[in-house]
Amino acid sequence: LAKTTQPISMDSYEGQEVNITCSHNNIATNDYITWYQQFPSQGPRFIIQGYKTKVTNEVASLFIPADRKSSTLSLPRVSLSDTAVYYCLVGDVTGGATNKLIFGTGTLLAVQP
Amino acid sequence: ETGVTQTPRHLVMGMTNKKSLKCEQHLGHNAMYWYKQSAKKPLELMFVYSLEERVENNSVPSRFSPECPNSSHLFLHLHTLQPEDSALYLCASSQTAGGSYEQYFGPGTRLTVT
Repeated sequence: LAKTTQPISMDSYEGQEVNITCSHNNIATNDYITWYQQFPSQGPRFIIQGYKTKVTNEVASLFIPADRKSSTLSLPRVSLSDTAVYYCLVGDVTGGATNKLIFGTGTLLAVQP
Repeated sequence: ETGVTQTPRHLVMGMTNKKSLKCEQHLGHNAMYWYKQSAKKPLELMFVYSLEERVENNSVPSRFSPECPNSSHLFLHLHTLQPEDSALYLCASSQTAGGSYEQYFGPGTRLTVT
């Protein structure tokens, strides 16, 4: 199984850059790395996805080293509204997939004023 | 508006009841998913449908029965549930079934089994 490991929680202040790292040592060749954000009592929301190197969109950047055994979600200049749980996700959903699609325990990011 | 709706948003049922959860996606996607999220636990993938065919069943007890009549609708039929089945049940859809496709989640149904 593509088990992912993330810090349980992180604290930050408004305006800071936050980097959340996820470890996925047994990632398979075909697996993508996807990050989701979840607020209490809501469904997760897609943030960013990548396969290798660096990906950037309007809300975040994703850094993936060459061995792909880890990834880092970077949130620039966080605000109070970024307080949420962040999940790293790898794997696939088909029966023949090497790694089943599994959400890890997530990282609770708490942004202070 | 996420494009994925779920009803009801809250449900309380006894262990002998039969109820159904409904999910509808308005995104033209071909894959739909059911997840369970218990308190302080990660999301657990329960079922995956691709073009109305079930492609994944993660050892879910038979008291949970999914149904996908078309690519826009997904149901989860519940019967003889246990208190430990109380959780947030989330539906999601994606363009195609697979880990490389962004999933769009609904708001979830908060289920309490008494």
